[in-house]
Amino acid sequence: TQLLEQSPQFLSIQEGENLTVYCNSSSVFSSLQWYRQEPGEGPVLLVTVVTGGEVKKLKRLTFQFGDARKDSSLHITAAQPGDTGLYLCAGGTMNRDDKIIFGKGTRLHILP
Amino acid sequence: DTGVSQDPRHKITKRGQNVTFRCDPISEHNRLYWYRQTLGQGPEFLTYFQNEAQLEKSRLLSDRFSAERPKGSFSTLEIQRTEQGDSAMYLCASSPGALLGEQYFGPGTRLTVT
Repeated sequence: TQLLEQSPQFLSIQEGENLTVYCNSSSVFSSLQWYRQEPGEGPVLLVTVVTGGEVKKLKRLTFQFGDARKDSSLHITAAQPGDTGLYLCAGGTMNRDDKIIFGKGTRLHILP
Repeated sequence: DTGVSQDPRHKITKRGQNVTFRCDPISEHNRLYWYRQTLGQGPEFLTYFQNEAQLEKSRLLSDRFSAERPKGSFSTLEIQRTEQGDSAMYLCASSPGALLGEQYFGPGTRLTVT
């Protein structure tokens, strides 16, 4: 059974601080996505990483895919209250079932 | 806005009743997914379609659940004889299919079974 474990589960920090959240698995993924979800809404796609070792930046957010394509990290620089939300990682494999699995998410709260 | 839409946004029903949800994907996307999400959890895969063909169903999808995508466009998810454990957010997502996992979600339907 493929699992994606996200850590930490909860994180509450002051505005302006930096943070990193993690997404780990024992399985290899052909691609991995990060989403942000706000209460009562669907997840919003932030980024897709495909190549081992790939780094992508989205303003103050930096996403990295592990060399072995089993793990990923999301680093936020100078966090702002607008970054508050549930951050989900999801992985897909090119198996016959083409199923995508989600982690349980990291709930991030940025204090003003 | 041509994003994914879902209807209704909220549904309250009594145990034992049937409910049906609709999802309209982004028009050029050939893959459509249904997920269920409960509080504190990530989305759990239920089923997905490639055009009108239902290619995969999760074991979570009991016999009371059925999904259709008759013309490869919109999709419906029906739950028969609802139970309190069915209370959750039901999310629909569509994907162009070129890159597995790159999905665009609708706002979800919040189901409450009383």
